[in-house]
Amino acid sequence: NAGVTQTPKFQVLKTGQSMTLQCAQDMNHNSMYWYRQDPGMGLRLIYYSASEGTTDKGEVPNGYNVSRLNKREFSLRLESAAPSQTSVYFCASSPGAISYGYTFGSGTRLTVV
Amino acid sequence: DQQVKQNSPSLSVQEGRISILNCDYTNSMFDYFLWYKKYPAEGPTFLISISSIKDKNEDGRFTVFLNKSAKHLSLHIVPSQPGDSAVYFCAASANSGYALNFGKGTSLLVTP
Repeated sequence: NAGVTQTPKFQVLKTGQSMTLQCAQDMNHNSMYWYRQDPGMGLRLIYYSASEGTTDKGEVPNGYNVSRLNKREFSLRLESAAPSQTSVYFCASSPGAISYGYTFGSGTRLTVV
Repeated sequence: DQQVKQNSPSLSVQEGRISILNCDYTNSMFDYFLWYKKYPAEGPTFLISISSIKDKNEDGRFTVFLNKSAKHLSLHIVPSQPGDSAVYFCAASANSGYALNFGKGTSLLVTP
């Protein structure tokens, strides 16, 4: 019973490098989300996908792109990493609107040097 | 601008006593509220929620109270247990939509 799986768990990038954070869920959920958590800032929404084939910007989308590859997978791409993107990234999914609550992955800790 | 505020970064409570975690919000369009619990190196897990049409929701040791006029909600944990030690996030959504707005979290420590 995996739930939401994020890879990798840890990553160190140099400024300007690119990478893709992977997220997959096995609960047949329609909606998926990417959040970042910074010290003293709580969780902030980067992008979300309400259903397969749709994506929308959240509160802090600049510097990121997303792809809803299929119903299971939702990836987050950093095209040119910056130190300000050092953070813990959480992927989440939900059956539909948030009244059901999210299920979160265990996070990816990204450091940009 | 933070629309969901948890003004107490930390709280320490003795085992067996009540823990009260508070949350304030500014957006009057918020109509659904949730609490999440987070242990270190893990993702947040859903704890309890409440719709704006209610003022109380209870689930075992956890009760959430909503005061819409004051734009305030609180989470009560009775009795508190050491395993409850974690960071608790308050979250809210407008129009029962998809995006959740989170507070900064309150770190609860329950001491034996």
